[in-house]
Amino acid sequence: AQSVSQHNHHVILSEAASLELGCNYSYGGTVNLFWYVQYPGQHLQLLLKYFSGDPLVKGIKGFEAEFIKSKFSFNLRKPSVQWSDTAEYFCAVRNQGGKLIFGQGTELSVKP
Amino acid sequence: GAVVSQHPSRVICKSGTSVKIECRSLDFQATTMFWYRQFPKQSLMLMATSNEGSKATYEQGVEKDKFLINHASLTLSTLTVTSAHPEDSSFYICSAQQGAGAGTEAFFGQGTRLTVV
Repeated sequence: AQSVSQHNHHVILSEAASLELGCNYSYGGTVNLFWYVQYPGQHLQLLLKYFSGDPLVKGIKGFEAEFIKSKFSFNLRKPSVQWSDTAEYFCAVRNQGGKLIFGQGTELSVKP
Repeated sequence: GAVVSQHPSRVICKSGTSVKIECRSLDFQATTMFWYRQFPKQSLMLMATSNEGSKATYEQGVEKDKFLINHASLTLSTLTVTSAHPEDSSFYICSAQQGAGAGTEAFFGQGTRLTVV
């Protein structure tokens, strides 16, 4: 069965620290990859997505992610986090059938 | 981006009653809508996929008679939790998209917190 695994359940960082959130998926076919963010009390928002082409994808708010096909990974990065980045982050994979499969989420807490 | 509105945001109901949750796409026509359930500290679990004008497709293990989904128009889908019980308490989220291709972007509602007492 297809699955998405996020390695970190809760990450605590100080402002200006660098961030990397891991995401691995299991699916052998062509996939589309997404990172979503959910700020407290708000709906899921798309941070960035990968469909094809350059495996290094840049998203909103300074986030980027790198698709490494050989490792089935799509890790999210940000060089310097801010307090306002405190949120829950979800990695997701969409297969050819059109269904979005989510990882379990990573809660990021940024200390001012 | 496109806006998806979900209503209500919170609902408390008595055990045995039914609850309806609405999901509306405000500025686009949603040919496909998805309903998810999220448990605390867990992932979003897809419950069902609904296409306008046709019956919803439920994921394995989801009771279609308990979670009734109607997608009567291109801007509205409803999820009705029938004969709710405390174990149905959860966070329900809808998403909507225009088209069904793998590259189509999905937009999410703000979720509904259901508490069954």
